[in-house]
Amino acid sequence: EPEVTQTPSHQVTQMGQEVILRCVPISNHLYFYWYRQILGQKVEFLVSFYNNEISEKSEIFDDQFSVERPDGSNFTLKIRSTKLEDSAMYFCASKSQGGNEQYFGPGTRLTVT
Amino acid sequence: AQRVTQPEKLLSVFKGAPVELKCNYSYSGSPELFWYVQYSRQRLQLLLRHISRESIKGFTADLNKGETSFHLKKPFAQEEDSAMYYCALTNTGRRALTFGSGTRLQVQP
Repeated sequence: EPEVTQTPSHQVTQMGQEVILRCVPISNHLYFYWYRQILGQKVEFLVSFYNNEISEKSEIFDDQFSVERPDGSNFTLKIRSTKLEDSAMYFCASKSQGGNEQYFGPGTRLTVT
Repeated sequence: AQRVTQPEKLLSVFKGAPVELKCNYSYSGSPELFWYVQYSRQRLQLLLRHISRESIKGFTADLNKGETSFHLKKPFAQEEDSAMYYCALTNTGRRALTFGSGTRLQVQP
């Protein structure tokens, strides 16, 4: 069964550095999402992406964040200058046209020191 | 604003006991409600959604619009049901999911 994959599984970075989190959605899916979960808190929506553009973003998704679909398979989340409070689990999800279910990746644990 | 509330952080029951994980929501339109489950060291996966009115792994959930609730129930808990359970909400236009804070279900032998 096809699955969403994410790399790396764990990323450690220093405050102020740029990070890129990578996701490979399920191949025929058209809707893509990023969520994050700070330790001990709820899963929070960051951004959704459809037809090569952002369709919705939350207040968390400020100018430090950007998303890109650089080729036909990858979907990336870039954090330009990481802060300590960006430490969290970041989940990618994808959904098919007309489907209701979002399929989640295993997550990338980002640790900012 | 839409919100999902799961009042219990932890629910511990014995095997064979009934389980009810509570979920309340606030939303002004017509929401779509879901239950997601995360087993230990596994990814979030959809357990069930209200529009399909299905029973998965013995779990059911009924949308009660009057009480704005979508509680998850199972008559006889099994040890393999131990996991984190998240209630989530969206609408057909928005598509992004709003999650509750999750309830950890522990089923003891």
